[in-house]
Amino acid sequence: EDQVTQSPEALRLQEGESSSLNCSYTVSGLRGLFWYRQDPGKGPEFLFTLYSAGEEKEKERLKATLTKKESFLHITAPKPEDSATYLCAVQARTSGSRLTFGEGTQLTVNP
Amino acid sequence: NAGVMQNPRHLVRRRGQEARLRCSPMKGHSHVYWYRQLPEEGLKFMVYLQKENIIDESGMPKERFSAEFPKEGPSILRIQQVVRGDSAAYFCASSLLANSYNEQFFGPGTRLTVL
Repeated sequence: EDQVTQSPEALRLQEGESSSLNCSYTVSGLRGLFWYRQDPGKGPEFLFTLYSAGEEKEKERLKATLTKKESFLHITAPKPEDSATYLCAVQARTSGSRLTFGEGTQLTVNP
Repeated sequence: NAGVMQNPRHLVRRRGQEARLRCSPMKGHSHVYWYRQLPEEGLKFMVYLQKENIIDESGMPKERFSAEFPKEGPSILRIQQVVRGDSAAYFCASSLLANSYNEQFFGPGTRLTVL
């Protein structure tokens, strides 16, 4: 069974204080790992897809990396508008097209 | 350039009634996925459909739940005889193709409350 564990559950940062969110996964053959951002009362917003260990992708203050067992979402010099829940999901080769999500990390950035 | 559209955004039903949730995928997308987010829980896959076909319904409860994606019109998730435990946010996603090289884009969700 595919499993995704995100840590920490919640993270509180000061504006400008860089940090990382972790996503550990267990799948029988990773097809892709996805990061989404979810604001309260809204649907998940796509951020990144990573396909193989060693891959990195960046978008503004966010950088996602992937190893064979986990992914990190690095947030550099965050701003209050980065406050959201960040979701990690995996798609396994044996699970068709479905995504298996972690429970998310709730990030709060204080001004 | 509309994204994934869902309606209604909020739906209140009494126990035993039917709930019907609609999803219009992004323009050009022919693959639709439904996920459920229970309070304080993560998103859980329910069903994956292409036009007129159910491809994977392994996450769908065996009773009371059904889904369709007709040739014309939106995808429909139907919940019959709703119970309080069905209260949740239901999200629809769509993709251009069916593999991980095509991201799933989510709609704003329908929040179902069962009284």
